[in-house]
Amino acid sequence: DSGVTQTPKHLITATGQRVTLRCSPRSGDLSVYWYQQSLDQGLQFLIQYYNGEERAKGNILERFSAQQFPDLHSELNLSSLELGDSALYFCASTSGRSTDTQYFGPGTRLTVL
Amino acid sequence: QKEVEQDPGPLSVPEGAIVSLNCTYSNSAFQYFMWYRQYSRKGPELLMYTYSSGNKEDGRFTAQVDKSSKYISLFIRDSQPSDSATYLCVGGRDDKIIFGKGTRLHILP
Repeated sequence: DSGVTQTPKHLITATGQRVTLRCSPRSGDLSVYWYQQSLDQGLQFLIQYYNGEERAKGNILERFSAQQFPDLHSELNLSSLELGDSALYFCASTSGRSTDTQYFGPGTRLTVL
Repeated sequence: QKEVEQDPGPLSVPEGAIVSLNCTYSNSAFQYFMWYRQYSRKGPELLMYTYSSGNKEDGRFTAQVDKSSKYISLFIRDSQPSDSATYLCVGGRDDKIIFGKGTRLHILP
């Protein structure tokens, strides 16, 4: 158990809808990262937050947004969902700003029908 | 050219064999390298990380980095069926992290 928690485990929704994924980092970790993993693209970095502020951005679509709250949990919002958004979404955390030694949560499996 | 490349496999080896997993990278600015293990439908689990060229050993696992040839390897000694998983090679620096697509490994009992 990495200490990173994610909810929900599974999410099934329809095209055009909006969903929110939630992540709680390991105790004491200030950075949260979001990733999308699909079969053909592998693990793609989306965005990093450090202590409430956006720090690094990867291949995140404009339809996606994230935030980190004062208690350090983070939410990833996915809107106007398309079939191609079906994937595993992982959250990871680290203690500092640097991107190394990330600890991953169990993931949320999103299915868009 | 992708920044981190791995052979997707699958790689099948008999139990007890030495496994060699390899990865190449193109970004000279990478400061660190890592290997993650991912079981099916689970989150990646950090196995090894290193900041320098050379070897780093941890139990049955040895990570090797050759910055001159931009080549990264992970060796698994005395392989076990429980080592069957996908292994992700990672290169990164302070504000950037790139994962390879992973190599699927099967250890045959």
